[in-house]
Amino acid sequence: DTEVTQTPKHLVMGMTNKKSLKCEQHMGHRAMYWYKQKAKKPPELMFVYSYEKLSINESVPSRFSPECPNSSLLNLHLHALQPEDSALYLCASSRETGGIEAFFGQGTRLTVV
Amino acid sequence: ELKVEQNPLFLSMQEGKNYTIYCNYSTTSDRLYWYRQDPGKSLESLFVLLSNGAVKQEGRLMASLDTKARLSTLHITAAVHDLSATYFCAVDMPPNRDDKIIFGKGTRLHILP
Repeated sequence: DTEVTQTPKHLVMGMTNKKSLKCEQHMGHRAMYWYKQKAKKPPELMFVYSYEKLSINESVPSRFSPECPNSSLLNLHLHALQPEDSALYLCASSRETGGIEAFFGQGTRLTVV
Repeated sequence: ELKVEQNPLFLSMQEGKNYTIYCNYSTTSDRLYWYRQDPGKSLESLFVLLSNGAVKQEGRLMASLDTKARLSTLHITAAVHDLSATYFCAVDMPPNRDDKIIFGKGTRLHILP
């Protein structure tokens, strides 16, 4: 199983809503990542978790709140988002951080209205 | 600060032709990745290059890494329409910040049937 599963695939939310994105992998990977990708742009790193601990936060606004409940799951909690936060949110995992191939999920297409 | 430059950013080519995509990066790193992304889809890992002189081939695609020149190439041989996609190279930060992967801007490849 080399899958990273993200849910939901599509999400439309209002600026006052609270929602969560979920990511799951069962490859035993100990590093998990959130990326944001705008149309026709490269992915931008948001957060890195290593062994369930937050390793990197790329100065992401606090309206995005990551959570890693266990080694297989990664959540991204969303609250009071802005329309400019609309993007494709990609989760990825790798066996370890650094120099190891990362596998990406299919992404969640988020639209903030 | 690590910078990753890809060129060309857009390439339209005929089936059957050969071409090369270039990826230059600004800081010492011996870890480079190539990904493919189809429109609206996630990233698919193509190659992981972990040492100077590494060369990997899969079908019509061949990737190489020259860490001294800080250059990787993705060579396409006898292109077919199915290879139309956006190709990203990505580079690991230097060892003291090795949790972070920086993506190039991507090369949009359009192969004409």
